[in-house]
Amino acid sequence: EAQVTQNPRYLITVTGKKLTVTCSQNMNHEYMSWYRQDPGLGLRQIYYSMNVEVTDKGDVPEGYKVSRKEKRNFPLILESPSPNQTSLYFCASSFRLYNSPLHFGNGTRLTVT
Amino acid sequence: GQQLNQSPQSMFIQEGEDVSMNCTSSSIFNTWLWYKQDPGEGPVLLIALYKAGELTSNGRLTAQFGITRKDSFLNISASIPSDVGIYFCAGQRLANAGGTSYGKLTFGQGTILTVHP
Repeated sequence: EAQVTQNPRYLITVTGKKLTVTCSQNMNHEYMSWYRQDPGLGLRQIYYSMNVEVTDKGDVPEGYKVSRKEKRNFPLILESPSPNQTSLYFCASSFRLYNSPLHFGNGTRLTVT
Repeated sequence: GQQLNQSPQSMFIQEGEDVSMNCTSSSIFNTWLWYKQDPGEGPVLLIALYKAGELTSNGRLTAQFGITRKDSFLNISASIPSDVGIYFCAGQRLANAGGTSYGKLTFGQGTILTVHP
C-alpha cells in the first residue's frame, strides 16, 4: 500500500531533550515536506526537500533540522525542544512539487513540557 | 510570506444542508487545492484546480478557481455526517529554477465542519 509513515504517533518529552520524528514514504517521491498544525493557523511548512541531499527552509524552520540522505526518508530533528514546539506535525510527499498531489502521513502529536 | 484567508472558521449544519467555504489571497496563485482532514488523520486531497475560471466537481463537492486567480470556493451539497472534518484550501505559485518547476504550497487556516444528523 502506498503511504507516508510517521513515527511516533504521540510523543511527550521535556524541554531540551533531543528528539527525532521519522518519516518514510514508499512511493519513490522526490519531494518531501514537514508541516506543523496549530489551531487557527492551519498548516505551516517547516522544511522541505526537493530530492536527496537537497533541503530548504519553509516558513517556520527555527528550532528544527532535517536531513535527506535517502529518497524514502526525511526525519525531523528537534535538537533542544521547547514548549512552543508543542504541536501536531505532518510529513508529506509528492512525486514532484508542482501539479502533483501531496500525500500526508497520519501525524505526530508532540508535547514538550 | 503569502497569506490565505479561509472562511468561515467553523460551521455547524444539519444533515442534508449545502455548505460553502472560500479562500482569498492578496497574491495570485497558479494552482488551488482543497484538502479534507478527518479526525486523527492527515489531510487528503479532494480537488485540484489548475486554470483560472475552472469549475471542477468530485461527487457532491464542487470547487472553482476564481477568475482573478486570487480566490477559490468549495461547495458541498446535501451534507452527510461523514463530511465532518477540517477543510483546507491551499494555493501554489509556479516558479522555475534551473529548469525545474516548483511552487511552495500555502495553506489556509482551515474550516471546521460539524454535521448534525
